[in-house]
Parts: sequence; structure tokens; C-alpha cells
Amino acid sequence: GDSVTQMEGPVTLSEEAFLTINCTYTATGYPSLFWYVQYPGEGLQLLLKATKADDKGSNKGFEATYRKETTSFHLEKGSVQVSDSAVYFCALSQRSQGNLIFGKGTKLSVKP
Amino acid sequence: EAQVTQNPRYLITVTGKKLTVTCSQNMNHEYMSWYRQDPGLGLRQIYYSMNVEVTDKGDVPEGYKVSRKEKRNFPLILESPSPNQTSLYFCASSLSRTGVNTGELFFGEGSRLTVL
Repeated sequence: GDSVTQMEGPVTLSEEAFLTINCTYTATGYPSLFWYVQYPGEGLQLLLKATKADDKGSNKGFEATYRKETTSFHLEKGSVQVSDSAVYFCALSQRSQGNLIFGKGTKLSVKP
Repeated sequence: EAQVTQNPRYLITVTGKKLTVTCSQNMNHEYMSWYRQDPGLGLRQIYYSMNVEVTDKGDVPEGYKVSRKEKRNFPLILESPSPNQTSLYFCASSLSRTGVNTGELFFGEGSRLTVL
């Protein structure tokens, strides 16, 4: 079945460092891909998305590009802030099913 | 304000004592879902509902029940809770299946359940 694999955390960075969180997927066809973020004590919220190959999703300085050839959707940010400390989830959905499949999540801690 | 509301937010209970976690959304969404979040396992879907009176099992439905008698409510029922159901539970909703596919899934703030 479909699945999402994220890099293991936690990830600890200093403020203004470059961030990459790896995400690869296994799926038939052409799923939509998402990054959700969970700030401490809150529910998940959509960070960015891409619905077809080579699409780039971006929001709040974060970016991810849908790479079908490598089945990847890595999350990047050029300069992280303390306020970016959160758990990040990669996810996919299949149009025929309408349900999200999540990765295990990667906890990011940014130190001042 | 558009929101998904879960209650209770925190609960400590004992093995075998039936409990219900309520979920309500005020956005007239058709789709609702329950997830549990466990360390190292991420989010796993328990049950979901595409519309009133339509419910389906997710990946980990054992030990749980749901009902969808009204569009706005989707309670999660643990008939006989066990310690392995200690977890953080999230309810989520979306306008429709299409909404889920476009990432428009709205989450509640979570309910932390401890079963002793």
C-alpha cells in the first residue's frame, strides 16, 4: 500500500541555519503531497502542498518540490527561526481515496 | 470562528470504563476523521466518515466505535478502554473528499487520553 517515509528526528538547529527534512513516498499513480506542521499544544495545520510532478509548494519561507523521478518531497527553509520549532509531517493523498497517509513526523527544535 | 472542537482535552481513566470523546465542527463539512498520534508512529487513522450515516474503518479501528448521526458531530467511543489506547487523539474535518485531496483538512487541538 501507499506509504510515506520521513527522516528520523529530532532535528536541532541554531537560528538562521538551513533546514532540510527529507520525505519519500511509495504510491501508485499521481498522489498529492503535503507538509503539515504541528506547533506545541496545537493540532496539525497545512503548511504547503503540491498536486503534480515538478510543482513547488511554498509558504512562510518553506519550500518543497514534488519529484516524481525520486518519489520525494523534501522540505527546505533557508533560515529557520525559533518560532519554527514544531513537528513536521509529510503526507500524501490519492484522489480516488480521499484520505491522508502521514509520515511519522520530524521534530524540529531551533535554538537562539 | 471556523473550528473543530474536541472534548475533553485531557482525560485519565481506568481500564474498562466506557468513555466518549466528542468532536464538533461548525463549517458544514461532510468529511470527518479520527486519528491517534503516538511517539515514533506518527498519525494513524482510526475511523472516517464521508457524510452523515456513512462511516469507514481506517488503519487502526480495533477497540473504537464512531457514529455520524448529525453532520457536525463525530464522537469517538471507547467501549472498554485498555492501556494501549493511551494516546493523543485528533479529530479533523474537510468540506469533502476533494477537500482532503487538496490539503484542506482542519484539525482540532487534540485530546490526551491516559488509560490506567
